[in-house]
Amino acid sequence: KAGVTQTPRYLIKTRGQQVTLSCSPISGHRSVSWYQQTPGQGLQFLFEYFSETQRNKGNFPGRFSGRQFSNSRSEMNVSTLELGDSALYLCASSALSGVNWAEAFFGQGTRLTVV
Amino acid sequence: DAKTTQPNSMESNEEEPVHLPCNHSTISGTDYIHWYRQLPSQGPEYVIHGLTSNVNNRMASLAIAEDRKSSTLILHRATLRDAAVYYCILRDRGSTLGRLYFGRGTQLTVWP
Repeated sequence: KAGVTQTPRYLIKTRGQQVTLSCSPISGHRSVSWYQQTPGQGLQFLFEYFSETQRNKGNFPGRFSGRQFSNSRSEMNVSTLELGDSALYLCASSALSGVNWAEAFFGQGTRLTVV
Repeated sequence: DAKTTQPNSMESNEEEPVHLPCNHSTISGTDYIHWYRQLPSQGPEYVIHGLTSNVNNRMASLAIAEDRKSSTLILHRATLRDAAVYYCILRDRGSTLGRLYFGRGTQLTVWP
């Protein structure tokens, strides 16, 4: 089956602009999580969505937001971009069976560069 | 969530076994031990997970100490493709949250 698809793969934006990143999870997966990866901070959790509801949020400013649609596809938005927002943004999808989590499948990420 | 401690880097020669250690002294009884790895320019990928018993799959083996305070990921014959950052992560089996806590991981270098 198809893996997690993130679009676009690369993006260059100017400070102050906003950006929207998209993630299509594996078919049947209802959980989507977003992570930011930078050389300085490593992989940091942004937020998690399950069945269109945000269930968990990391320690990021309100400029970072997200949503999930009824088909489980998710988008994250960053407003008023700062140079420090340059990073690899990764999306992961998981299936939940009872209370046991299966593995998380990650996309290849969107490389955002803010200039 | 309980924290894990891993060496920053390790090296191996191709076709030799590799033992990647992870300490998790504050692990709780309901924490699964997960390993993920991240190849260059890729998202992380699942390697293996276990609770109490040793586990094997096509990619690797996971050896869990009897007191569960440490574990070791074993790559039986390292290949150049195994060069990656390996992350040891604890995940509460009772939690319905999909969040994973990534540390800095171990950068594995494989020499031909």
